[in-house]
Amino acid sequence: DIQMTQSPSSLSASVGDRVTITCRASQDIRNDLGWYQQKPGKAPKRLIYAASSLQGGVPSRFSGSGSGTEFTLTISSLQPEDFATYYCLQHNSYPLTFGQGTRLEIK
Amino acid sequence: EVQLVQSGAEVKKPGESLKISCKGSGYSFTGYWIGWVRQRPGKGLEWMGIIYPGDSDTRYSPSFQGQVTISVDKSISTAYLQWSSLRASDTAMYYCTLLHCSRSSCYAGDASFDYWGPGTLVTVSS
Repeated sequence: DIQMTQSPSSLSASVGDRVTITCRASQDIRNDLGWYQQKPGKAPKRLIYAASSLQGGVPSRFSGSGSGTEFTLTISSLQPEDFATYYCLQHNSYPLTFGQGTRLEIK
Repeated sequence: EVQLVQSGAEVKKPGESLKISCKGSGYSFTGYWIGWVRQRPGKGLEWMGIIYPGDSDTRYSPSFQGQVTISVDKSISTAYLQWSSLRASDTAMYYCTLLHCSRSSCYAGDASFDYWGPGTLVTVSS
């Protein structure tokens, strides 16, 4: 099975900050990775697909990069509505696997 | 409009059985795979497994193999997740989601493809 190691597990930042979250895959997954945002009590919402493509309706301050085993999600200028938990999900092979999540909190 | 409608919250006792559902509408039910995701209280997302409604081909994550059963009734466009004997540790929110997959992997789809049910809260307590 492919393991996804996500870091950091939590992050404290201020409105306007630039933040980066990383996922590392235990083997090459090409660009078969998505980034998801989850707010309390809600289903996850995909922000980025195919590692670097922006989901429809998602603000352009979100961006993704990487391929192979190293991936990053960047939020260029944090907005109040961005404080949430973020997950990566690899779909290169079964079983699909999530990263452990990054809780983004207001400083 | 694509929709995934999940069954309502459940409160059960340890040892009881349970079957929760996810009904798809607004798309060809056999056109996509359906996955199940667990989220225990205060914890992260865990991938449980996935099923192809066309022929019930099912792939479980190792942690869930033998612990749950994923099934589908394509005549009513509904996928199921069931337990034969619940434990307190099964207390969680369970989400269903649509995926575009093959027999070996899944695809990203396009910029509009992201469909989830609202979740079913399962509480197991004596």
